[in-house]
Amino acid sequence: SQQGEEDPQALSIQEGENATMNCSYKTSINNLQWYRQNSGRGLVHLILIRSNEREKHSGRLRVTLDTSKKSSSLLITASRAADTASYFCATDVRGGSNYKLSFGKGTLLTVNP
Amino acid sequence: SAVISQKPSRDICQRGTSLTIQCQVDSQVTMMFWYRQQPGQSLTLIATANQGSEATYESGFVIDKFPISRPNLTFSTLTVSNMSPEDSSIYLCSSGGAGELFFGEGSRLTVL
Repeated sequence: SQQGEEDPQALSIQEGENATMNCSYKTSINNLQWYRQNSGRGLVHLILIRSNEREKHSGRLRVTLDTSKKSSSLLITASRAADTASYFCATDVRGGSNYKLSFGKGTLLTVNP
Repeated sequence: SAVISQKPSRDICQRGTSLTIQCQVDSQVTMMFWYRQQPGQSLTLIATANQGSEATYESGFVIDKFPISRPNLTFSTLTVSNMSPEDSSIYLCSSGGAGELFFGEGSRLTVL
């Protein structure tokens, strides 16, 4: 069953603006990851944040994790048209018998030039 | 990192037929996974492909409908059997473990 829920479902911004996407989940996790998918193709891993971390940066990406609220946010700064894609959060559920990820429904980000 | 190749990249199939999707990884990996992404939806894990033993299926997915092979540590196949229009989806192969997953480009199936 899906654990993560992203919001908003869709986000449209102008190039140069920042984009913030949120993810909420239900159960305890080992880590939370963000992936990007261009137009129905394969997913690309963006960043992983562990349950004992609160914030992580990678280039123009900033991820926060609040385990007390069971939520995470992905911030893309200075967006570009090439950032247009769907963004998914995925959780690695603690205590699972096999390693597997549960994906949220995704946020469709459109960056207008 | 792992590079994952899938084929076919897309296909149009007739109702009642079966199609096998191949997944090749450029290095030996322990765990391989098959996901389904229905139109406009998120990814749902179908099964974990285990080398040398039967695949482990998630709730709602059965071996008769989605038989999986894993003959070695770099290759797996997923067959979608007796297809119906509801099986129209993108099927994604992935690999990884205890960290990020690497995905193939997906196989987009349309069932008429």
